[in-house]
Amino acid sequence: NAGVTQTPKFRILKIGQSMTLQCTQDMNHNYMYWYRQDPGMGLKLIYYSVGAGITDKGEVPNGYNVSRSTTEDFPLRLELAAPSQTSVYFCASTQRRAGANVLTFGAGSRLTVL
Amino acid sequence: GENVEQHPSTLSVQEGDSAVIKCTYSDSASNYFPWYKQELGKGPQLIIDIRSNVGEKKDQRIAVTLNKTAKHFSLHITETQPEDSAVYFCAATLLDSSYKLIFGSGTRLLVRP
Repeated sequence: NAGVTQTPKFRILKIGQSMTLQCTQDMNHNYMYWYRQDPGMGLKLIYYSVGAGITDKGEVPNGYNVSRSTTEDFPLRLELAAPSQTSVYFCASTQRRAGANVLTFGAGSRLTVL
Repeated sequence: GENVEQHPSTLSVQEGDSAVIKCTYSDSASNYFPWYKQELGKGPQLIIDIRSNVGEKKDQRIAVTLNKTAKHFSLHITETQPEDSAVYFCAATLLDSSYKLIFGSGTRLLVRP
């Protein structure tokens, strides 16, 4: 199993450009998440999804959009990139059930906005 | 919503010593408290978790304690080894249908040989 796969691993954007961070998981997990990690600031929840067709905002959703058309994929869209969106982005997933709440994280996508 | 504070931000210990990382949470409804370890260049991985109906949980050299009244929980690592060097995150959530895991700001642990 590949687990949680994120692409790209690195990307440099100019201010005002748009892009999509891809996330796919092959574990048939129903819950998926996007977090961003700024230096010394921990992990902040951007958006999450409890199943295909269902998404909801996390702590810091402004400037981002998500969709969940399939169980496997949870892309994160950045519209009009800003320097404040420079960060490392992590996608995670879990199969919510009694006694099993472990998040499996991808390796991260490092985004720089100049 | 939930807010989690974590201290210290950095911690340096001698190999073989113990390390303690502390977290406080704001939402008294939270009932699940995991700890994740992040090694350089990788995503975080769960190392131990505790539910609110338990005061302490231990797994070999790692233990977590929970004080619901004070709304704080701690990670204890005994007999530290160089491979314990990493960033550690605490988190808190209510185990309901949304399962929004809110993380602390992280602690960078350095174990000196």
